[in-house]
Amino acid sequence: NAGVTQTPKFQVLKTGQSMTLQCAQDMNHNSMYWYRQDPGMGLRLIYYSASEGTTDKGEVPNGYNVSRLNKREFSLRLESAAPSQTSVYFCASSGAEKTQYFGPGTRLLVL
Amino acid sequence: ELKVEQNPLFLSMQEGKNYTIYCNYSTTSDRLYWYRQDPGKSLESLFVLLSNGAVKQEGRLMASLDTKARLSTLHITAAVHDLSATYFCAVNPDTDSWGKLQFGAGTQVVVTP
Repeated sequence: NAGVTQTPKFQVLKTGQSMTLQCAQDMNHNSMYWYRQDPGMGLRLIYYSASEGTTDKGEVPNGYNVSRLNKREFSLRLESAAPSQTSVYFCASSGAEKTQYFGPGTRLLVL
Repeated sequence: ELKVEQNPLFLSMQEGKNYTIYCNYSTTSDRLYWYRQDPGKSLESLFVLLSNGAVKQEGRLMASLDTKARLSTLHITAAVHDLSATYFCAVNPDTDSWGKLQFGAGTQVVVTP
């Protein structure tokens, strides 16, 4: 039982490049989330998916897109990376009890 | 807009002493979470508090919730080095049924001898 997995663990991009962060969970959870974590700012919600087939914007969605591929997988895409998107990205999932379980994170550096 | 405020943001603890972290939030909620994050690691769920007056304890950590005051506290008893980490509270507002959380900025705890 791996819980929530994320790939890659670390990525360096140049400004303007694109990339997709992958997230998968094996806990049969309906809801999945993408956060970014910046120093001193806690976690901020980028997008979430309440259930398979639905996605909604969170607090900081600009510059990102998401896809809920199936119940297990929720990907985050940066179409044209900017230095302001340098951050640590966490994926999380939750079930009926609503406690969110987090993946190990992806450290992204945009030059 | 829901606001979640933690204080202090940094806490230097001496081993063996007791300390409290406070979490205030601005809207009604009956569901509050505490998470722990070690440096460079992910977030680990510590407690979920589901109703007014709820108290949960695990080892040297005890969390409580006062929904009327919109306040949760995380109390650390006889601090030890292993408790050095950043602690986050997070609130699920009553208006949200899907489990979205608003996080506080976190309290960085450093325990020294």
